[in-house]
Amino acid sequence: KQEVTQIPAALSVPEGENLVLNCSFTDSAIYNLQWFRQDPGKGLTSLLLIQSSQREQTSGRLNASLDKSSGRSTLYIAASQPGDSATYLCAVRGGAQKLVFGQGTRLTINP
Amino acid sequence: DTGVSQNPRHKITKRGQNVTFRCDPISEHNRLYWYRQTLGQGPEFLTYFQNEAQLEKSRLLSDRFSAERPKGSFSTLEIQRTEQGDSAMYLCASRARTGIGKDGYTFGSGTRLTVV
Repeated sequence: KQEVTQIPAALSVPEGENLVLNCSFTDSAIYNLQWFRQDPGKGLTSLLLIQSSQREQTSGRLNASLDKSSGRSTLYIAASQPGDSATYLCAVRGGAQKLVFGQGTRLTINP
Repeated sequence: DTGVSQNPRHKITKRGQNVTFRCDPISEHNRLYWYRQTLGQGPEFLTYFQNEAQLEKSRLLSDRFSAERPKGSFSTLEIQRTEQGDSAMYLCASRARTGIGKDGYTFGSGTRLTVV
């Protein structure tokens, strides 16, 4: 059974810092991995999708890496801003259709 | 059609009542998913449709839960005889056929259910 773990559970940093969020998964036989952002009481917004054959994806100040063999992914946020405050979720898809999510990292950027 | 639409956004109901939620996926997406998210947790898979066929159901989906997707378009999720433990955010997602687009999931804004 696939299990996804995100560390840390919560993170608070001052504005402007670069930061890294971690995601690990127990079964390396994944099809892809997707990072989402969730604002309080809202739905999920897709940030980055990494296929199993890829090592990283970039979008603006965000960079996500994937090391499938070790079961790890990181989300790097450069030059953090207060508007980046949200919960960040990673999810993996294996051979089945469903996504398996981690519990999320609650990020607070302090002005 | 720019995204996945869910209605209602919020629902407060008394224990024992039935509730129904609706999800309208992105029109060209033939795959539709329902997830449930409780406070402080990641979303958990409930069920999956490919076109109108319900292909997988989680053990979380008790007999009180039923989902449909008539004609392979919108979907409804009904909860009968609601219990306080059903209070959660119910999320719908859709995805294109494999090979089209980026193959990622697009989620709606969710329906927040509160059972009192």
